[in-house]
Amino acid sequence: DVKVTQSSRYLVKRTGEKVFLECVQDMDHENMFWYRQDPGLGLRLIYFSYDVKMKEKGDIPEGYSVSREKKERFSLILESASTNQTSMYLCASLSTRGYNEQFFGPGTRLTVL
Amino acid sequence: GEDVEQSLFLSVREGDSSVINCTYTDSSSTYLYWYKQEPGAGLQLLTYIFSNMDMKQDQRLTVLLNKKDKHLSLRIADTQTGDSAIYFCAVGLSGGYNKLIFGAGTRLAVHP
Repeated sequence: DVKVTQSSRYLVKRTGEKVFLECVQDMDHENMFWYRQDPGLGLRLIYFSYDVKMKEKGDIPEGYSVSREKKERFSLILESASTNQTSMYLCASLSTRGYNEQFFGPGTRLTVL
Repeated sequence: GEDVEQSLFLSVREGDSSVINCTYTDSSSTYLYWYKQEPGAGLQLLTYIFSNMDMKQDQRLTVLLNKKDKHLSLRIADTQTGDSAIYFCAVGLSGGYNKLIFGAGTRLAVHP
């Protein structure tokens, strides 16, 4: 089974802190994604990566950056956390075999005070 | 830009059928998906349909695709309390990178 893990289930940070969210997948997938999920808005794509050291902005990249130094690991960085970044963050990894299924991690619920 | 819309809530009685609807704007999608999110968990692929199909059935699930109207639906037969979850419609974008556009999610509540 494909497994996508995220470093924390819950995080509480203060405004202005630098926050790191990590995601690891074990299926050698090339494409990985970071989303945020907010009620009534669904999932919105923050950044994605299609290879090591390669990244592309999604629909809402402002206030975020990413790092992909190894194929299995994709990190989301909040340079200076703000209260409007309080959200659920979901990482996904894509299988390009067959029907292009995205496999999701369990999510990190981040609260910025 | 591309958009996917779905209603936010659906309440059904246990044993009845549930129908969750979705409309989308990108007509060039190859695959369309339904994901399920249980409380406190990430999303899990429930089913998908290839764009040249009209219908797909998988046990209690039936997916209908009307490409002309850009309408996708998910029917769950004999709905059970374990089906209570949020259901997301997602459309694969054309143009590379295999990006998905998600709807807002429909929260399905199943009551006795």
